[in-house]
Amino acid sequence: AQKITQTQPGMFVQEKEAVTLDCTYDTSDPSYGLFWYKQPSSGEMIFLIYQGSYDQQNATEGRYSLNFQKARKSANLVISASQLGDSAMYFCAMREGGLGSNYKLTFGKGTLLTVNP
Amino acid sequence: EAQVTQNPRYLITVTGKKLTVTCSQNMNHEYMSWYRQDPGLGLRQIYYSMNVEVTDKGDVPEGYKVSRKEKRNFPLILESPSPNQTSLYFCASSLLTGRLYGYTFGSGTRLTVV
Repeated sequence: AQKITQTQPGMFVQEKEAVTLDCTYDTSDPSYGLFWYKQPSSGEMIFLIYQGSYDQQNATEGRYSLNFQKARKSANLVISASQLGDSAMYFCAMREGGLGSNYKLTFGKGTLLTVNP
Repeated sequence: EAQVTQNPRYLITVTGKKLTVTCSQNMNHEYMSWYRQDPGLGLRQIYYSMNVEVTDKGDVPEGYKVSRKEKRNFPLILESPSPNQTSLYFCASSLLTGRLYGYTFGSGTRLTVV
């Protein structure tokens, strides 16, 4: 079974509008972290935002926020006021902390976001 | 500046010619890992290391070797590269203590084996 599922291979958004990128995860480990990374066409992986499984509040970092619904096992990324520079591939990832997890970061297949002017 | 440095950025080589991709981090991170990224398959872990002299296989270790003789360095060795190892490779590092930290990634190495 996939541990991280991103159901949107591609998304389009108009500049200055908000967009939500979906991510669901699967784990039985009570301790885990959820991450979003951005990969522009140049290829580097850029960390955007982190949510811990025990965090009570949804994480926010500037224009990025994470809509964390623990019971539904979802961790959607919301980008407010999209900019042309937000066009990139976005990856959701999870790191489990339990014994035997090897602390691996497991990635979803990604969502390609295109921001239109 | 805190960073993970990978070299080279681009490499074209021939089948069977041994190569090494270097990775170095300056953040005193215990954990280091190598991933490969392929279209449609996402990022998959090749090898990881929890600390000096402690390495283990990830999901796709065949055809690769690693070593961790010093905390800062974690080279990836392809003893006899084949075309199916053409890929984008990332080295990453993180802390292990405390909260579940994410990775700091290197800039990537685009490898083509012909």
